[in-house]
Amino acid sequence: DSGVTQTPKHLITATGQRVTLRCSPRSGDLSVYWYQQSLDQGLQFLIQYYNGEERAKGNILERFSAQQFPDLHSELNLSSLELGDSALYFCASRTRTGELFFGEGSRLTVL
Amino acid sequence: KNQVEQSPQSLIILEGKNCTLQCNYTVSPFSNLRWYKQDTGRGPVSLTIMTFSENTKSNGRYTATLDADTKQSSLHITASQLSDSASYICVVSSGDMRFGAGTRLTVKP
Repeated sequence: DSGVTQTPKHLITATGQRVTLRCSPRSGDLSVYWYQQSLDQGLQFLIQYYNGEERAKGNILERFSAQQFPDLHSELNLSSLELGDSALYFCASRTRTGELFFGEGSRLTVL
Repeated sequence: KNQVEQSPQSLIILEGKNCTLQCNYTVSPFSNLRWYKQDTGRGPVSLTIMTFSENTKSNGRYTATLDADTKQSSLHITASQLSDSASYICVVSSGDMRFGAGTRLTVKP
């Protein structure tokens, strides 16, 4: 158990819809990272938050947004969903020594 | 061009055999390099971390090497087991983190 909690584990929805993925980082970790992993692909960095503030942006679409709340949990919002958005979405929290701990992911299927 | 290149892309070996995975990077400046293991459909899990001054580090049957001069790292797996079947991801840090695309290892009985 990495200590990073992601919900939901699985999500099936239709094109055009909007979903929210949630992540609770490890206790004491201030940084949260979001990654997208399409089938048989590598991890693609989406966005990073540190203590509630956006720190870095990767290949995140304009249809996607995220935020980190005062209690340090984070949410990734995906809107106007397309078939190609089907993927595993991972959240990771980063320790002060720089190690990433990943959650088990949220598997999104867009039909 | 990705700043972290891993090879091979995929590898199939027989149970009990050894194998070596490669990671070449151009990331600079260099802070550290980590190897992660990702089982299918699961989150990656850290195997080792290498800093600039470290050449070799072992974690059970996993041994990572680092040559900071040539910017190369390898992950050697000894006496492979079926449970070693996974993707192995090299991540190089220099403030931000750069991910390799991973090597997919399949261990067959």
